Amino acid sequence: EADIYQTPRYLVIGTGKKITLECSQTMGHDKMYWYQQDPGMELHLIHYSYGVNSTEKGDLSSESTVSRIRTEHFPLTLESARPSHTSQYLCASSDVTGLSYGYTFGSGTRLTVV
Amino acid sequence: AQRVTQPEKLLSVFKGAPVELKCNYSYSGSPELFWYVQYSRQRLQLLLRHISRESIKGFTADLNKGETSFHLKKPFAQEEDSAMYYCANTGGSYIPTFGRGTSLIVHP
Repeated sequence: EADIYQTPRYLVIGTGKKITLECSQTMGHDKMYWYQQDPGMELHLIHYSYGVNSTEKGDLSSESTVSRIRTEHFPLTLESARPSHTSQYLCASSDVTGLSYGYTFGSGTRLTVV
Repeated sequence: AQRVTQPEKLLSVFKGAPVELKCNYSYSGSPELFWYVQYSRQRLQLLLRHISRESIKGFTADLNKGETSFHLKKPFAQEEDSAMYYCANTGGSYIPTFGRGTSLIVHP
């Protein structure tokens, strides 16, 4: 079934560790996005991609990096995790405009840095 | 930069009462507006698109360019409507900007 998958769902990690949050979609969407969301709060765009080899920074300054080597895969990496990175990270994808079917979101990764 | 404002963080109503969740946008071009809903322990999912002018689960939303609003309405709230509701605008860039969300609680 066409969908968007995020792993892991939950992650507790120590300060200073390098982590990669995985996001894959099987819908053939060109555009992918990463949002940061604290519980019950607004979504902040941190990265997006128009397609392979395209990555852009979003509105929220972030110490994370992303890559888009394959259409279906858009991982987010934190080189050195800090407690301030504790949050929920949502991955989403859409066709070129997102107007026809909206934006499809994954289940999220809840990250806790201790 | 475009902005999406949802002035109410929390809206609490009784079952059967009318509901209106407010959304205002600031964007100089033509907006492309959406409502998303997040039920407890579920993913964020699309509820409405302004271009389709549809009614989903009894909810409707009308774009008012004069007031730069896209309020979400339902005449009779149900308990299962309890959720977080987010308004979003993609504008000309087709990159969605979300409001801070409104938590709707429908009491029995």
